Amino acid sequence: GAVVSQHPSWVICKSGTSVKIECRSLDFQATTMFWYRQFPKQSLMLMATSNEGSKATYEQGVEKDKFLINHASLTLSTLTVTSAHPEDSSFYICSATPTSGSFKQYFGPGTRLTVT
Amino acid sequence: GQQVMQIPQYQHVQEGEDFTTYCNSSTTLSNIQWYKQRPGGHPVFLIQLVKSGEVKKQKRLTFQFGEAKKNSSLHITATQTTDVGTYFCAGGGSQGNLIFGKGTKLSVKP
Repeated sequence: GAVVSQHPSWVICKSGTSVKIECRSLDFQATTMFWYRQFPKQSLMLMATSNEGSKATYEQGVEKDKFLINHASLTLSTLTVTSAHPEDSSFYICSATPTSGSFKQYFGPGTRLTVT
Repeated sequence: GQQVMQIPQYQHVQEGEDFTTYCNSSTTLSNIQWYKQRPGGHPVFLIQLVKSGEVKKQKRLTFQFGEAKKNSSLHITATQTTDVGTYFCAGGGSQGNLIFGKGTKLSVKP
């Protein structure tokens, strides 16, 4: 149980275009979802915390107008990278916390974004 | 802001040797979690510690949470090649978020 999926698993896009990444909790409801990015050989950096039905809370230094987050339901959150640039190329991972109150986060498999 | 420091960054061991990674937080944590990430994979939850001074064991893995709830350690006894990966600690922040350490990459020579 507690499976989180992400789509797409990898995407290549041209500079200036937008890319949407979906994060779904498949067998549980998630009040809170988190979005991370991970550069090669580095740790996960929290980008934003997404609560269902409310605006996301962004970490310092993360542009909310560039990384649009929508959490419309208890099982789906989306991250849209707008006007992507090569420096946005990274591994984006989402995680979800069940509504049961557990601290545990379940991670999606990640999305590899390459901007050319 | 809250930070979690993790050392060492890399550890190379011979199979059968022990391994320990340490995490230190600048502030008191509500809980500490440990994750393992295999190369090319995503972080997988290992364990959560909540109580001051808590010690938990999972087979060859021993996890400790400090008395002040600011530090933690993961110790692996008699490493095996299947233990290879990056081990992250993550401290529970005040908003339910996790603050990840930089991770310790473990390589095991057979």
